[in-house]
Amino acid sequence: QQQVKQSPQSLIVQKGGIPIINCAYENTAFDYFPWYQQFPGKGPALLIAIRPDVSEKKEGRFTISFNKSAKQFSLHIMDSQPGDSATYFCAASSSGGYNKLIFGAGTRLAVHP
Amino acid sequence: GAGVSQSPRYKVAKRGQDVALRCDPISGHVSLFWYQQALGQGPEFLTYFQNEAQLDKSGLPSDRFFAERPEGSVSTLKIQRTQQEDSAVYLCASSLNKNTEAFFGQGTRLTVV
Repeated sequence: QQQVKQSPQSLIVQKGGIPIINCAYENTAFDYFPWYQQFPGKGPALLIAIRPDVSEKKEGRFTISFNKSAKQFSLHIMDSQPGDSATYFCAASSSGGYNKLIFGAGTRLAVHP
Repeated sequence: GAGVSQSPRYKVAKRGQDVALRCDPISGHVSLFWYQQALGQGPEFLTYFQNEAQLDKSGLPSDRFFAERPEGSVSTLKIQRTQQEDSAVYLCASSLNKNTEAFFGQGTRLTVV
């Protein structure tokens, strides 16, 4: 029940394309869903996060879509650029305690010029 | 400092050796987390501190792993009698309080040979 399942494992798109990464969770106590971006040799960095009271959140070229009934959320990257090539992790936590993050396995994105 | 600082960046240990990994969180951050990231996987929670109190150590894989934060700032993760399966990147994260954004360090890559 603690798992967060992420797909696909890897993704290749052309510059300008819209990669979509999906995550699903089981634990209904989760109420905070962040996405992290990680470059090789670096720690994860927070991109965007959503709480279940909204179904969509946009920040720049990044959008999270959230489906509470299906217990699924996804990341869309608009007008993707080669500099977006990185590994993306979804995560979930419950604010009832502290921000203990349960991460998905990651999606390695390559954006080709 | 400006961000979470971890040292060393890389550590090679012979099997059976003890290692100590250091984390300097962002100044003033109350919450501190340790995560373990195996190659090609998402980070997995190890332990959580609120100030100097270790409130959750449920993710520590064995009694060979020990973490401390004696003065509520710098934290050390110690691994005794290292094994090959301990090879991973160890990430430290800190947050201002228990339910705010967590900022990650660059990690320490531990290789046990």
